[in-house]
Amino acid sequence: AQKITQTQPGMFVQEKEAVTLDCTYDTSDQSYGLFWYKQPSSGEMIFLIYQGSYDEQNATEGRYSLNFQKARKSANLVISASQLGDSAMYFCAMEGDSWGKFQFGAGTQVVVTP
Amino acid sequence: DGGITQSPKYLFRKEGQNVTLSCEQNLNHDAMYWYRQDPGQGLRLIYYSQIVNDFQKGDIAEGYSVSREKKESFPLTVTSAQKNPTAFYLCASSTYDRSGYTFGSGTRLTVV
Repeated sequence: AQKITQTQPGMFVQEKEAVTLDCTYDTSDQSYGLFWYKQPSSGEMIFLIYQGSYDEQNATEGRYSLNFQKARKSANLVISASQLGDSAMYFCAMEGDSWGKFQFGAGTQVVVTP
Repeated sequence: DGGITQSPKYLFRKEGQNVTLSCEQNLNHDAMYWYRQDPGQGLRLIYYSQIVNDFQKGDIAEGYSVSREKKESFPLTVTSAQKNPTAFYLCASSTYDRSGYTFGSGTRLTVV
C-alpha cells in the first residue's frame, strides 16, 4: 500500500522568504511519480511540479523546486521568494504502478505575511 | 479553451435523496476520475475510468455510482447509501499515459 505523509499542518512565512514543505512517502513500487499541487481557497487544484522516481535531477519549475531524496523517501517542495499569492493549501501526491491511483497527503496550509 | 467543467459549484440536498454531480471535459482525455475531499484532508479516489463504458472502484467507492457513456462525460451519483455525503468533490482527467492531469473546480455538496 502507498502512503503519503505531510507532517506540517500549517506554517507562516514572510514575503520574499523561502519555505520548505515536507513530504515523505512509502511504497513498494519500483516506478512512481511524485506531484505537488496548490489549492487556493477557491478549491481548484493547481499542478506545480512533478518528479519521476527514476529522474536523477531534482525537478524545478520557476520558483518551485522539489528536493527528492529517494533513499530517505522524501520529496520536499521548496518555494523560493514567497509571494502573498502563494497563500494556499499544498498537497503532495504519489502515483505508483497501479494505474490511476493517486495517493494524496493531508496537506500543509501556507500563509504568507507581508 | 480546453478544460473540465463541474456543475453546479454548490449543491444542497436533503438526506436520503440521490444526487448527480456533473463533470464534462473537452480536452480529449481518455481517463477521468472522481475524488472526495473532506475539510483539512487530502483527496481520496472514488472512481476512475480509463475508457468509455468502463470504470473501476477507487478507495472509497461505497455509496457512489458512475457511468461513462461518452468520452467527454463522467457523472457521479451520490446515493442515499453514502453515510456521510457532505464534502467537496473534484473531477479530474488525463491522457492514457496520465500526463496532463487536470482538475475541475469542484462541487461542494451539502446534505441537510
